[in-house]
Amino acid sequence: SQQGEEDPQALSIQEGENATMNCSYKTSINNLQWYRQNSGRGLVHLILIRSNEREKHSGRLRVTLDTSKKSSSLLITASRAADTASYFCATDRSGNQFYFGTGTSLTVIP
Amino acid sequence: DAGITQSPRHKVTETGTPVTLRCHQTENHRYMYWYRQDPGHGLRLIHYSYGVKDTDKGEVSDGYSVSRSKTEDFLLTLESATSSQTSVYFCAIGGQGAHNEQFFGPGTRLTVL
Repeated sequence: SQQGEEDPQALSIQEGENATMNCSYKTSINNLQWYRQNSGRGLVHLILIRSNEREKHSGRLRVTLDTSKKSSSLLITASRAADTASYFCATDRSGNQFYFGTGTSLTVIP
Repeated sequence: DAGITQSPRHKVTETGTPVTLRCHQTENHRYMYWYRQDPGHGLRLIHYSYGVKDTDKGEVSDGYSVSRSKTEDFLLTLESATSSQTSVYFCAIGGQGAHNEQFFGPGTRLTVL
């Protein structure tokens, strides 16, 4: 069964707007990561947040983690057409296995 | 890309034939992973390896076997391919240590007719 579920499944915004996507998971975790996948390519790591952290920033990315609600959000500020991609959350329970969500497809319209 | 290649990149085969996919890394990572990606399912772990000749099952391992005889190579074998194994297969390395991130290969698109 899937450990993580993202919503929305698809998101379309205008360039310059902010994009927010959410991830929910089912069991306790060590950390949560966000990855990006451009069409036809492998996934690329964006950011990691540990279970004892609540918020983390990296450039235009802001990630929050609420372990009590078993949820995380990824905010991309001032979006660009080049941000068009699918975004996945991944959770690490045992340290050896990673569980990916089904992804959010983001389209940024120029 | 972090020194990780997959071969072949595309393959079409028939039901019942054996298929082997290869993942090769030049980063000397101890951990290597095989995932499959299907619409509506995201990425699901098939098998992973934590060292030469050390492997373990993931959540969708039925119908697949793996081998790792060298640090740099991790092979995924479908002994008798079925149409349900039509998918895009990704190899990944890393996932351990302080940063915990995985690096992914470009993927292999497999079609089983």
